[in-house]
Amino acid sequence: NAGVTQTPKFRILKIGQSMTLQCAQDMNHNYMYWYRQDPGMGLKLIYYSVGAGITDKGEVPNGYNVSRSTTEDFPLRLELAAPSQTSVYFCASSYGSDGREYFGPGTRLTVT
Amino acid sequence: AQTVTQSQPEMSVQEAETVTLSCTYDTSESDYYLFWYKQPPSRQMILVIRQEAYKQQNATENRFSVNFQKAAKSFSLKISDSQLGDAAMYFCAYSPPGANSKLTFGKGITLSVRP
Repeated sequence: NAGVTQTPKFRILKIGQSMTLQCAQDMNHNYMYWYRQDPGMGLKLIYYSVGAGITDKGEVPNGYNVSRSTTEDFPLRLELAAPSQTSVYFCASSYGSDGREYFGPGTRLTVT
Repeated sequence: AQTVTQSQPEMSVQEAETVTLSCTYDTSESDYYLFWYKQPPSRQMILVIRQEAYKQQNATENRFSVNFQKAAKSFSLKISDSQLGDAAMYFCAYSPPGANSKLTFGKGITLSVRP
């Protein structure tokens, strides 16, 4: 049981480039989330999904897109990367019934 | 909108002593969940403890316990017999129940443990 996995662990992008952060979970959780964590700050919700085919915006969605074609996978797409998107990105999943979320190890992204 | 406030950016505790980390939150809901997450330098988010708002009894997990004051919207974490491995950032978080389940985090507090 791998839990929540994220790839890559680290990435450096140039301004204007695009990339997809991968997230997968093997716990059959319906709910999945993407957060970003800026230095010295708490996590902020980017997008979330309550099931395959259903996604919704969180607090800071601008500059990002998501899709949820399967229960297991929830990729986050960055289009036209900007320095403001330099952050650590966490994916999480949950059953949705008890609030408890399980986090991946994070992806450190730098945009220069 | 729900907000979570952690007003202390840093705290320090002597090894084997007890420390309390503070958190307040704002919500109009009567049913919700509260959490404390630990983030060590590895940056992995680790769930420390969870409290259900409809339960009056304070949650405990080994050396970790909470003081949940629903009327005051206060949710503090007490760490007893502090260990060097407790040094980390600690985040307080709130989640509504059911279909709206998603976490709102405070800014976190950095806890250092002196040997």
